[in-house]
Amino acid sequence: SYELTQPPSVSVSPGQTASITCSGDNLQEKYVCWYQHKPGQSPVLVIYQDKKRPSGIPERFSGSNSDNTATLTISGTLAMDEADYYCQAWDNNIVVFGGGTKLTVL
Amino acid sequence: EVQLVESGGGLEQPGKSLTLSCVASEFTFNNFAMHWVRQAPGKGLEWVSGIDASGASLYADSVKGRFTISRDNARNSLYLHLNSLRVEDTAIYYCVKDRVRVLATIRGFGAALDIWGQGTTVTVSS
Repeated sequence: SYELTQPPSVSVSPGQTASITCSGDNLQEKYVCWYQHKPGQSPVLVIYQDKKRPSGIPERFSGSNSDNTATLTISGTLAMDEADYYCQAWDNNIVVFGGGTKLTVL
Repeated sequence: EVQLVESGGGLEQPGKSLTLSCVASEFTFNNFAMHWVRQAPGKGLEWVSGIDASGASLYADSVKGRFTISRDNARNSLYLHLNSLRVEDTAIYYCVKDRVRVLATIRGFGAALDIWGQGTTVTVSS
């Protein structure tokens, strides 16, 4: 079965840039979405179709996808961005999520 | 405000059945595919099942043959019937709207889980 691999954790200082990666076989051939999930809340879509931002998502969130790796970039990271982040793609009629990355802002 | 409200979770014994419901509001329900996604305690997100606007469905291997997804467009409602429950089915179950009306678009083009309900908790234990 298809797998998406994310680092378990990423740390960033406030105001700096955070990058969260998601790797998978031929991932550049698929469209990738990213979700933010804070404790006690429902997940929120922050990036779809590799790099598009839904309405209401701040411009500091951006995405890219090339060479088997998709990347979520958060520029000027704020304390409120601390959360778990999941990448997601479709493969063979199945929705696949990455294992999630805990972003710590310290 | 676009909203999804789940219900039907609870404590059930292994081998038993349960039906989850989700009521949608403030969007044209029959124009969009819908999904169920779950999160087991201390684990990540896991897709369970999806159904397109016409009623065609897909399932994760872990639930295929045990769970059934359905929708009633007249009632703006999505359902998940959980059969032959296992301890490992214990999770928060989220009802989720897709951006598009079909499942498994080519390369996933346009598809995304853009609206999530608050979740309903299913606990399977003897």
